[in-house]
Amino acid sequence: EVQLVESGGTLIQPGGSLRLSCSASGFTVDSDYMSWARLAPGKGLEWLSVMYRDGSTYYTDSVRGRFTISRDNPRNTVYLQMNSLRAEDTAVYYCARGRQGYYAMGVWGQGTTVTVSS
Amino acid sequence: DIVMTQSPLSLPVTPGEPASISCRSSQSLLHSNGYTYLDWYLQRPGQSPQLLIYLGFSRASGVPDRFSGSGSGTDFTLKISRVEPEDVGNYYCMQTLQFHWTFGQGTRVEIK
Repeated sequence: EVQLVESGGTLIQPGGSLRLSCSASGFTVDSDYMSWARLAPGKGLEWLSVMYRDGSTYYTDSVRGRFTISRDNPRNTVYLQMNSLRAEDTAVYYCARGRQGYYAMGVWGQGTTVTVSS
Repeated sequence: DIVMTQSPLSLPVTPGEPASISCRSSQSLLHSNGYTYLDWYLQRPGQSPQLLIYLGFSRASGVPDRFSGSGSGTDFTLKISRVEPEDVGNYYCMQTLQFHWTFGQGTRVEIK
C-alpha cells in the first residue's frame, strides 16, 4: 500500500528553522514527483515545492530562498527544510506523491502542524 | 505564474441536485503534447485533500462517476451530477503546466 507519513511539525518562534519529514512506503521517493503544500488557518491550499525524478526542484515565490526540498533515497524520505520562519508560515503541511505527465498530487499524507509564534 | 480563479467561492447545494464549479486560468493549460494539465481536488473537513480529476477530465481511481471534469484552454468545470452529503468540503483546481504549480482559491461546498 502506498502511504506517506509527515512528521516534524511543532511550535517554533519567528525566525527559527524546522525540518519536516515525509516518510514513504509502497513506492520509492525517487520514482516520481514529490511535493509539499500547506493549508493555513482560514486560507486555501497553497502549493510550496516539488522535486522531480531527476532531482530538479521548484518553489512558490513566498518560500523560495527560505525553504528547501530534498530526499534521502536509502531512508525513502522527503524533507522540507524551513528557515527564517514567519507567523504567516503557520499551517498544516502536507506532502504528496504525483505521477509525472499525469497528475500533481495523487497520494497525500495526513499532514503535520507548524505553528510560528513567540 | 499562472493565476487560477474559481467561482463561486461558496456553493450551497441540495442533496440529489447537480452542482458545478468553474475554474479559469490566466493562460492556456494545453501542453504541446496535447494534454491539458488541470487537476481537481477535494478536501473534506478534517481530512487530507484527495485527487478527483486529472488532465482536465480523467477521474482518479476510486472517485465516484457522479464527478466529472470538462473544459479546455483556460476554462474548466467540475460537475457533480447528484450531490451526496459526503461531497461537502473545499474544492480546488490546480495547474501543473508550468513548473510553478498553482491552486485556485477554493470553493466551499455546503449543504443547504
